[in-house]
Amino acid sequence: EPEVTQTPSHQVTQMGQEVILRCVPISNHLYFYWYRQILGQKVEFLVSFYNNEISEKSEIFDDQFSVERPDGSNFTLKIRSTKLEDSAMYFCASSIQALAELIYNEQFFGPGTRLTVL
Amino acid sequence: AQTVTQSQPEMSVQEAETVTLSCTYDTSESDYYLFWYKQPPSRQMILVIRQEAYKQQNATENRFSVNFQKAAKSFSLKISDSQLGDAAMYFCAYLSNYQLIWGAGTKLIIKP
Repeated sequence: EPEVTQTPSHQVTQMGQEVILRCVPISNHLYFYWYRQILGQKVEFLVSFYNNEISEKSEIFDDQFSVERPDGSNFTLKIRSTKLEDSAMYFCASSIQALAELIYNEQFFGPGTRLTVL
Repeated sequence: AQTVTQSQPEMSVQEAETVTLSCTYDTSESDYYLFWYKQPPSRQMILVIRQEAYKQQNATENRFSVNFQKAAKSFSLKISDSQLGDAAMYFCAYLSNYQLIWGAGTKLIIKP
């Protein structure tokens, strides 16, 4: 069964460093997403991406964050200068394009990357 | 803006018994989707069940079923014949413009 994969499973970095979190969505999916979950808190939407551009982003997704689909298979989240409060679990998800209104696009989630900023 | 509320931070149930997890939401939309996700200790998000708001029939997936009350904006999850493997965090979520809006989660403990 196809699945979303994420690497690394755990990333430890120093405050101020850049990190890139990688995701490989399901191959025929066209919408991609990043969510984060700070330990003990609810999951928060960061950004959605379609047709090589951001379709929606939340207030959390400021100039420190960027997303890219560099090669047609990977979908990356870059944090330019990490802060302590960026420590969280980051989930990538993907969904297939809707063919018509009200056709549900199930979002399939990857296993997450735990980011620890020291 | 849409919001999702899970008022039970933690629930426990005896193995083989039935438990109901509560979820309420707020929206002005008439057509939408609601979900329950399970997050075991491995922390991977697993879709348990979904409900289309335009369907009156409550969704069912094996031992998992929902009680969807659209007028009350309530979407509870019932787990029958609870198993040890059901122990996890359960999140209620609402789909809005392709982004999921999440509740705070309910930790489900299964007592053997």
